[in-house]
Amino acid sequence: KQEVTQIPAALSVPEGENLVLNCSFTDSAIYNLQWFRQDPGKGLTSLLLIQSSQREQTSGRLNASLDKSSGRSTLYIAASQPGDSATYLCAVIETWGKLQFGAGTQVVVTP
Amino acid sequence: AAGVIQSPRHLIKEKRETATLKCYPIPRHDTVYWYQQGPGQDPQFLISFYEKMQSDKGSIPDRFSAQQFSDYHSELNMSSLELGDSALYFCASRRTGVNTGELFFGEGSRLTVL
Repeated sequence: KQEVTQIPAALSVPEGENLVLNCSFTDSAIYNLQWFRQDPGKGLTSLLLIQSSQREQTSGRLNASLDKSSGRSTLYIAASQPGDSATYLCAVIETWGKLQFGAGTQVVVTP
Repeated sequence: AAGVIQSPRHLIKEKRETATLKCYPIPRHDTVYWYQQGPGQDPQFLISFYEKMQSDKGSIPDRFSAQQFSDYHSELNMSSLELGDSALYFCASRRTGVNTGELFFGEGSRLTVL
């Protein structure tokens, strides 16, 4: 059974620092991997999707890498801002598009 | 751009009551997924539908049922509600045949069982 782990569980950084969020998965036979942002009590906002054939995806200040062979993905957020404070979830996409989520990393960016 | 629409956004029920949640996928999306997110937990897959047929089933209690209709909207029916059913219920949709397979989520329906 696929297990998705996110480390660290929580992270606090001063504004301007770069954020590095880690995601690992046990079964490398994934279809795609998707990173989400969730604000407290709110919905899931898709940030980046990496197809299994890709090694990275970029969108603005966000960059996500994928190493299927080692079962790892990393989300980099450059020059963090207080508005980046949220929980970040990674999810591996399995057959029929079903997502298996990690527990998330709660990020606080202090002004 | 149109997004996934869920209704109601908030719902309060008593134990043993019944609740129905609705999901309207993005136009031309043919697959719908339901997820349950308990307090402080990650979303757990419940069930999915493709072209109105159940395509996969996760940890959905027998008290819950769901279906997808001809217009592709989906409904999640929950009966004999328990306190532990209090959660945020997400619906997501995707369009099969699209290379990315990206899932798009609605804002969720928050169910509180008293």
